[in-house]
Amino acid sequence: AQRVTQPEKLLSVFKGAPVELKCNYSYSGSPELFWYVQYSRQRLQLLLRHISRESIKGFTADLNKGETSFHLKKPFAQEEDSAMYYCALSGGGGYQKVTFGIGTKLQVIP
Amino acid sequence: SQTIHQWPATLVQPVGSPLSLECTVEGTSNPNLYWYRQAAGRGLQLLFYSVGIGQISSEVPQNLSASRPQDRQFILSSKKLLLSDSGFYLCAWSPPDRGNTEAFFGQGTRLTVV
Repeated sequence: AQRVTQPEKLLSVFKGAPVELKCNYSYSGSPELFWYVQYSRQRLQLLLRHISRESIKGFTADLNKGETSFHLKKPFAQEEDSAMYYCALSGGGGYQKVTFGIGTKLQVIP
Repeated sequence: SQTIHQWPATLVQPVGSPLSLECTVEGTSNPNLYWYRQAAGRGLQLLFYSVGIGQISSEVPQNLSASRPQDRQFILSSKKLLLSDSGFYLCAWSPPDRGNTEAFFGQGTRLTVV
């Protein structure tokens, strides 16, 4: 079974402070990991995926297979980063099923 | 390009009434389809997913059911709504091939059961 754990429901940081949104996963094979974001009154959308190794809006995430983690980081938080963030996992096999964590609400305090 | 449509955007229904939420995808074939419920404090919960016409998998026991009568149509239903069915429902699709597993979401339906 595949599972995604986001231990923090709410994370509040001051503007300019570093941000780390935690995500741990459980999966027996080689997963694909993603971060999705939902800004106020907008659709849930993909922020980044581990296979791309990209930085989007200053956010990065590194897949650590030893710790089974995929934490989302940004060195300096901005007010517009306030949103709901979901970590997600996609497993292999005959079909794809994307499993989401319960989400972490990031609140950036001006 | 692919698009996903979900309706209605908001719905207020009395307890015990039936429910039908519809989701359609355009611009792709044989997508994987999903129904999620997004509840405050509980995050994004997968309710149903489908890998093909007539193939539905349920993730959690509940008062709801799903059907896929056509390749790009996914319907969420209930015969009798409960107060606890209130929430924000999201439809999503993902490509069937292994190489691209990004999920794309609809705008959502805010359901209030009164």
